[in-house]
Amino acid sequence: NAGVTQTPKFRILKIGQSMTLQCTQDMNHNYMYWYRQDPGMGLKLIYYSVGAGITDKGEVPNGYNVSRSTTEDFPLRLELAAPSQTSVYFCASSYQLAGPGELFFGEGSRLTVL
Amino acid sequence: DQQVKQNSPSLSVQEGRISILNCDYTNSMFDYFLWYKKYPAEGPTFLISISSIKDKNEDGRFTVFLNKSAKHLSLHIVPSQPGDSAVYFCAASAKRGSGNTGKLIFGQGTTLQVKP
Repeated sequence: NAGVTQTPKFRILKIGQSMTLQCTQDMNHNYMYWYRQDPGMGLKLIYYSVGAGITDKGEVPNGYNVSRSTTEDFPLRLELAAPSQTSVYFCASSYQLAGPGELFFGEGSRLTVL
Repeated sequence: DQQVKQNSPSLSVQEGRISILNCDYTNSMFDYFLWYKKYPAEGPTFLISISSIKDKNEDGRFTVFLNKSAKHLSLHIVPSQPGDSAVYFCAASAKRGSGNTGKLIFGQGTTLQVKP
């Protein structure tokens, strides 16, 4: 039972490079989310999606893009990496809207921008 | 502005004793509150939740209390076990139509250490 799978687990980028963090879930959840966690801080919502083709901004969307072409996949794109994007990124999904519906998280992707 | 605050970065308790983790919030539109637990190198996992229409919810050793007038909630773990050592995040979500629907807002986290 895979749940939410994120790749890669670790990545080092140079300033200005671009990359995509992949996220896939096998629970047929409509709702998917991307969070980042900085040291000593809580998780901040970057983007979320309520279904295929529908995405919306969270608290900290600047510098990121997302797409949701299928129910299973919700990739996060960094176009021009900056040191401020050094963080641990978590993808999550839920059956119901966040709140009443618990979120199932992936194991995280640690990104360092140098 | 930090809408959900956990003012204690860390807490250390002895095995068998009670652990009390606290959380304060500022947004009166929050109507659902959750606690997540996170071990190192893993994603957070759901622990327990409470709706704003209740003031207490219990699940085994874990109880969450909600004081709406004080905008405060707490997680009680009794008895605490070494396996409970982890980072605990408080989170809140807002009512539909508030502009924050679907957005789970997290606190900074409290690291709990339970000593054998």
